[in-house]
Amino acid sequence: DSGVTQTPKHLITATGQRVTLRCSPRSGDLSVYWYQQSLDQGLQFLIQYYNGEERAKGNILERFSAQQFPDLHSELNLSSLELGDSALYFCASNPAGFSYNEQFFGPGTRLTVL
Amino acid sequence: AQTVTQSQPEMSVQEAETVTLSCTYDTSENNYYLFWYKQPPSRQMILVIRQEAYKQQNATENRFSVNFQKAAKSFSLKISDSQLGDTAMYFCAFAYSGAGSYQLTFGKGTKLSVIP
Repeated sequence: DSGVTQTPKHLITATGQRVTLRCSPRSGDLSVYWYQQSLDQGLQFLIQYYNGEERAKGNILERFSAQQFPDLHSELNLSSLELGDSALYFCASNPAGFSYNEQFFGPGTRLTVL
Repeated sequence: AQTVTQSQPEMSVQEAETVTLSCTYDTSENNYYLFWYKQPPSRQMILVIRQEAYKQQNATENRFSVNFQKAAKSFSLKISDSQLGDTAMYFCAFAYSGAGSYQLTFGKGTKLSVIP
């Protein structure tokens, strides 16, 4: 158990819908990373938040957005869903500010878009 | 942009034998980190081993060791005395501080099967 929790574990929805994935980082970790794992694209970095502010953006679609709240949990919002958005979405956390620390991964949320 | 290449989509090894998984990367950065992550059927991402680029000594964690060749931009993983529990996808990953973020760039993965 990494200490990172993600809810829900599974999500099934229809095209055009909007969903919210939630991540609670390890206690004390200020940084949250979101990754997408799909058959087509492999594992890709989406976005990072550090202490409530966006730190870095990767291959995140405009239909996707994220935020980190004062209690440090983070949410990834996916809208106008398409079949290709079906994937496993991971959240990872670490204490990192300006030096490297290991990222601890949550169990992931499996999203299926029908 | 950083890229990570794993040229072996699938590999198999007999239990108790040794196997080496290959990884090459491309970067213009000098200070960076390299990792091998394991993803068993449970889908959990588990860090196996990491290497800091400024360290010449190859990292070792129990049965897992790496061969880090910085000039060749190569980072292979050796698993000794393979066990059934080593059956998993293995991902090579790269991180460096770009604008204060250490996001991971992953390779496509190698599916390792350990055969009894």
